[in-house]
Amino acid sequence: KNEVEQSPQNLTAQEGEFITINCSYSVGISALHWLQQHPGGGIVSLFMLSSGKKKHGRLIATINIQEKHSSLHITASHPRDSAVYICAAQSLNSGGSNYKLTFGKGTLLTVNP
Amino acid sequence: DTAVSQTPKYLVTQMGNDKSIKCEQNLGHDTMYWYKQDSKKFLKIMFSYNNKELIINETVPNRFSPKSPDKAHLNLHINSLELGDSAVYFCASSPLGGTSGRRSYTDTQYFGPGTRLTVL
Repeated sequence: KNEVEQSPQNLTAQEGEFITINCSYSVGISALHWLQQHPGGGIVSLFMLSSGKKKHGRLIATINIQEKHSSLHITASHPRDSAVYICAAQSLNSGGSNYKLTFGKGTLLTVNP
Repeated sequence: DTAVSQTPKYLVTQMGNDKSIKCEQNLGHDTMYWYKQDSKKFLKIMFSYNNKELIINETVPNRFSPKSPDKAHLNLHINSLELGDSAVYFCASSPLGGTSGRRSYTDTQYFGPGTRLTVL
């Protein structure tokens, strides 16, 4: 069973700060997803990565397969970045017939102006 | 031109009733999913369909029955609703998500807006 742990659970920052959210998982995976859930409830996929680093605007996601660890960084944070950030580890399901996503519990980020 | 749509957005019903939530995607994706988000905001996969075929069925009570009439639709029917079924249910789709021999793969997932189910 894959356990996915995120830290911190809650994070408050001032506008402009550099933010890091961490995700660790317990078993081998084929990919790691980062999702953003807005205060209104909608979920948006930010990244899917299986190695190295990906960048999109002010967001950067990294993964270290050997250490079973991924980080999501936000540069020059802004109040509109306030949301819950969720990591999800993709691995084969118990039947071995397809992948499934196991989710972390999310990190609530609040960026104050 | 909504990519993944769900209806209804809110559903309030009595214990013991039977209800359905509909999901449609107009992205031409092969794979669709149902997720449940509980009161603590924890997401968990329930089902996955690939080209109308059930691929993943996590430990979900058999009161929950997904139905996929075509690859653009994945509906969730729930019988004999219980208080513990109250949650937000998200539908999602992805372009890939099947298996090829011993290799499994997936792709970015596109989520619907969610359906908040309240069982009284």
